[in-house]
Formats: sequence, C-alpha cells, structure tokens
Amino acid sequence: AQSVTQLGSHVSVSEGALVLLRCNYSSSVPPYLFWYVQYPNQGLQLLLKYTTGATLVKGINGFEAEFKKSETSFHLTKPSAHMSDAAEYFCAVTNNTNAGKSTFGDGTTLTVKP
Amino acid sequence: DTGVSQDPRHKITKRGQNVTFRCDPISEHNRLYWYRQTLGQGPEFLTYFQNEAQLEKSRLLSDRFSAERPKGSFSTLEIQRTEQGDSAMYLCASRTPGGTEAFFGQGTRLTVV
Repeated sequence: AQSVTQLGSHVSVSEGALVLLRCNYSSSVPPYLFWYVQYPNQGLQLLLKYTTGATLVKGINGFEAEFKKSETSFHLTKPSAHMSDAAEYFCAVTNNTNAGKSTFGDGTTLTVKP
Repeated sequence: DTGVSQDPRHKITKRGQNVTFRCDPISEHNRLYWYRQTLGQGPEFLTYFQNEAQLEKSRLLSDRFSAERPKGSFSTLEIQRTEQGDSAMYLCASRTPGGTEAFFGQGTRLTVV
C-alpha cells in the first residue's frame, strides 16, 4: 500500500522568495518518488524524480527535492520563485512491485506574487 | 518522438450519451495507464495495459467504463451512459517496463451536462 500527503493545498510566495512545497509518503516497499507540475488544462510534466542513490535530486527549472527516509518526506524547493512557477504541483509515489501505478497527492497550488 | 497524444482534448456531452477517448502512447512503450483527475484532486489510477493485455482495473472503473488496447499500440477508453459525476480530466500515460517514470499526455477534459 502507498499513499501521499501534500501539506498545504495553497502556497503563496513573492517573486524571488524561497519556494517550499511539502510531501510526505507512505510505502510498504522502497519508493520511487516524483514531483510533477500541471498548468491549467494541461497534462503532467515531470519536474524531478528519486529512485535510488543520491537523496538530493535536481530537476528542471531550478527545482530540487530531498528524499528523507527517516521522515518519509520528499519536499520540493526552489531558491527563488519566478512568476512562471505559478501552477499546481503534485507529489507521487510508486515502486518497482506495483507495475508502475502511481499514487498522487491532492496537489498544491503555488501562487507567485509580483 | 512526439510524446503521448490524447484525442480529443475537450469533450462536452449530454448526460446519458456514450463517449470514447483515444490515447497514442510513445512508440515502444508497452505499458499504458489511464488516470482520472477531478477538480482539486490528484490523478487517480483507473487501469493499465501491458501490450494488449489489461492487467488491472481500479474499483473506480464501473461497469459503464471499458478500455481496450487492441494491438498493443493505441488505447481507447469508453464511457457508456455518461453521468455528471463522470466530468473530469482523463489522463493517459505510458512507460517502458524497465523505466521508472510514466510520461503523461495532455489529457481529455470531459464535461457532462
């Protein structure tokens, strides 16, 4: 069984400020973890993923996330927000035993204020 | 490689009508997934195929829903006797068996009026 909890359905930051989007997961086996971004009426675009190895992973558009097994967390960060970062962000978990089915959190809407 | 393609992008239908959506996965991706996303929520797994075989269906997939992948390439998702509760974004994704991530299409937005 696997599940994802995204803390905070809405996050608002000023342009240039740190972005922190929180994700906690549960998984009965070693997880694969993902962050996706979704713009209105669009599909999901992969930002970054953790499978094995280095726990700090870097993705596109300056985002990064750190896998912390002890905290069952995979928080997404970006040092300096841009207006173009405004979107909905989804954390997802899967593993190598469930045929690649992903379980998603309910999403966090990021607003960037000028 | 043009990515995962879904058609149509938008569909408005009257309650009780049947609708069919199509998904063309990335070539040589033998796994194909359907998800449903309602407003304010994350995508939820519906079903998946490995080649032409439908290997798993979620309990979300009622008897009014049917999915096929006849030749292991494109897939169709049909909803019969649509209800207002079927209004959602239907997302398709594909991946290789050894891959760790799924690639998503742009989705089909269904509105049942």
